[in-house]
Amino acid sequence: GENVEQHPSTLSVQEGDSAVIKCTYSDSASNYFPWYKQELGKRPQLIIDIRSNVGEKKDQRIAVTLNKTAKHFSLHITETQPEDSAVYFCAASNAGGGADGLTFGKGTHLIIQP
Amino acid sequence: KAGVTQTPRYLIKTRGQQVTLSCSPISGHRSVSWYQQTPGQGLQFLFEYFSETQRNKGNFPGRFSGRQFSNSRSEMNVSTLELGDSALYLCASSIQGAFDTEAFFGQGTRLTVV
Repeated sequence: GENVEQHPSTLSVQEGDSAVIKCTYSDSASNYFPWYKQELGKRPQLIIDIRSNVGEKKDQRIAVTLNKTAKHFSLHITETQPEDSAVYFCAASNAGGGADGLTFGKGTHLIIQP
Repeated sequence: KAGVTQTPRYLIKTRGQQVTLSCSPISGHRSVSWYQQTPGQGLQFLFEYFSETQRNKGNFPGRFSGRQFSNSRSEMNVSTLELGDSALYLCASSIQGAFDTEAFFGQGTRLTVV
């Protein structure tokens, strides 16, 4: 089945600096890669996603890159702000679903230092 | 538009008991997925229902079951509860399926087994 590894587990950056979170996946059939943000005590919310036919996608301060050959994808947050503090989860899936469903990484706790 | 609603928000049960959790998806969404979230294992896929049919199932024991009604509302049942079932149970709804489109999560039901 699919296995998603996420690093680092905790990331502390100064406000205004950039943050990068990296994930690797194992199943070459995976073709959808969403990123979810979960603030303390709240539900996970999609912040950006990318499909396997695209190498990079940007949405304002957030970008995701995908390297299908190496089976890894990364989340980049620029000009970090206090409200970016949260746990971020990467995930991978095959659009056909299957027993793995949407397989999540273990999460990265992003801390923005003032 | 109302979001995904899960009830109850909190539950305390005794080992050996059974429990039923409820999830009302966003109006118009036909897919409901269930996830177990724990500090050690992160978010793990339980199963997905689409138009009243279980379409995908994760690697959880048969004690975990679910169903979906004609109005897309879904229930999850856990029988013979074990201490290790203590977790936050999240459901997510999407228009077609959570594996290649955005999944909208509910607030979750926090289950404590004592």
